[in-house]
Amino acid sequence: DAKTTQPTSMDCAEGRAANLPCNHSTISGNEYVYWYRQIHSQGPQYIIHGLKNNETNEMASLIITEDRKSSTLILPHATLRDTAVYYCIVRPISGNTPLVFGKGTRLSVIA
Amino acid sequence: DAGVTQSPTHLIKTRGQQVTLRCSPKSGHDTVSWYQQALGQGPQFIFQYYEEEERQRGNFPDRFSGHQFPNYSSELNVNALLLGDSALYLCASSRVREANTGELFFGEGSRLTVL
Repeated sequence: DAKTTQPTSMDCAEGRAANLPCNHSTISGNEYVYWYRQIHSQGPQYIIHGLKNNETNEMASLIITEDRKSSTLILPHATLRDTAVYYCIVRPISGNTPLVFGKGTRLSVIA
Repeated sequence: DAGVTQSPTHLIKTRGQQVTLRCSPKSGHDTVSWYQQALGQGPQFIFQYYEEEERQRGNFPDRFSGHQFPNYSSELNVNALLLGDSALYLCASSRVREANTGELFFGEGSRLTVL
């Protein structure tokens, strides 16, 4: 079972920041937080991952709370092409543990 | 550089039949994982192949089996199809030496409909 809790759906105006929350209150010290997204009719796409420090790449920023029990994925300037299901996943740092997906958050970016 | 490719993209089978789905991993990748995604659900892990052997398996019955070839490509076989096997089957590839990154590259999937 997924170890994360996400809202079922969210809306965001085009050009505004999209902030997607994730609760992972039972996260262990050796587990990373991963974010993937799945655009309709495509396979999931990796976005970003982090342990305890905030992370940023060309796609998004990941903010992890100090107690690591929750995180927020930020898309700074959402576009219509960001409309997708976003999955927050917790996974151990080492080894080849499979990703366990929940139902994710369906983000709709509105013009 | 081709990404992960899967075939066929769509197929229809009847109950009791058998199906084989195929996957070619991203260039340079040696590990293949298969996921099943039912409508409205997140992907569920079926199994993972590395060095032509099944390394990990999710909670799926023995009707689901696989194979990995020396060129790292892989097949997923499902026997005695049930209506509940209707789903999008996703293949994902990675490099074993980068397993700690948790970054998988997914194909676009094979959509199986069982009638």
